[in-house]
Amino acid sequence: DAKTTQPPSMDCAEGRAANLPCNHSTISGNEYVYWYRQIHSQGPQYIIHGLKNNETNEMASLIITEDRKSSTLILPHATLRDTAVYYCILRPVSGTYKYIFGTGTRLKVLA
Amino acid sequence: DAGVIQSPRHEVTEMGQEVTLRCKLISGHNSLFWYRQTMMRGLELLIYFNNNVPIDDSGMPEDRFSAKMPNASFSTLKIQPSEPRDSAVYFCASRSGTGNSPLHFGNGTRLTVT
Repeated sequence: DAKTTQPPSMDCAEGRAANLPCNHSTISGNEYVYWYRQIHSQGPQYIIHGLKNNETNEMASLIITEDRKSSTLILPHATLRDTAVYYCILRPVSGTYKYIFGTGTRLKVLA
Repeated sequence: DAGVIQSPRHEVTEMGQEVTLRCKLISGHNSLFWYRQTMMRGLELLIYFNNNVPIDDSGMPEDRFSAKMPNASFSTLKIQPSEPRDSAVYFCASRSGTGNSPLHFGNGTRLTVT
């Protein structure tokens, strides 16, 4: 079972920041938070991951709360091409892991 | 890098027929995951391998499903006999065993069983 909860859907205006929340209240100290997205008809695509500190790459920023029980994925300037389902998942720092995907958040970027 | 390559992209078959889905891992990757996606059940993990060895097949729905890795770069998922409820998009994904490398997914095989 997925260990994360996300809102089922969100809308965002094009050009604005999209802030996608994820709750992972039972996260353990050795689990990373990973974000993927799935654009219609394609396989999921890796976005970003983090353990404790906030992270930023060319696609997005990841803000993890100090208690690590929740996180927010930020797309700073959403475009129509960012319309997708966004998944937040946990995986241990080491070892083999199943990568269980929940239902994700369906983000719709509006023109 | 060509990415994870799945074939065929689309497969339409009749109930009772054998179906074989294929996946080529990214060179150097040593973990392989097979997923099935439907509207009702979302993205479900069927089985995953590490270094060609099946680690967890608890997601395989029935004995009609089998998966193999005949070598380090290739995997097959076979359904025999196929049933209409097997209709779904099947994804494979691979990752490197080093560090925090993420999963890389193929673009899936859309299977329709009539």
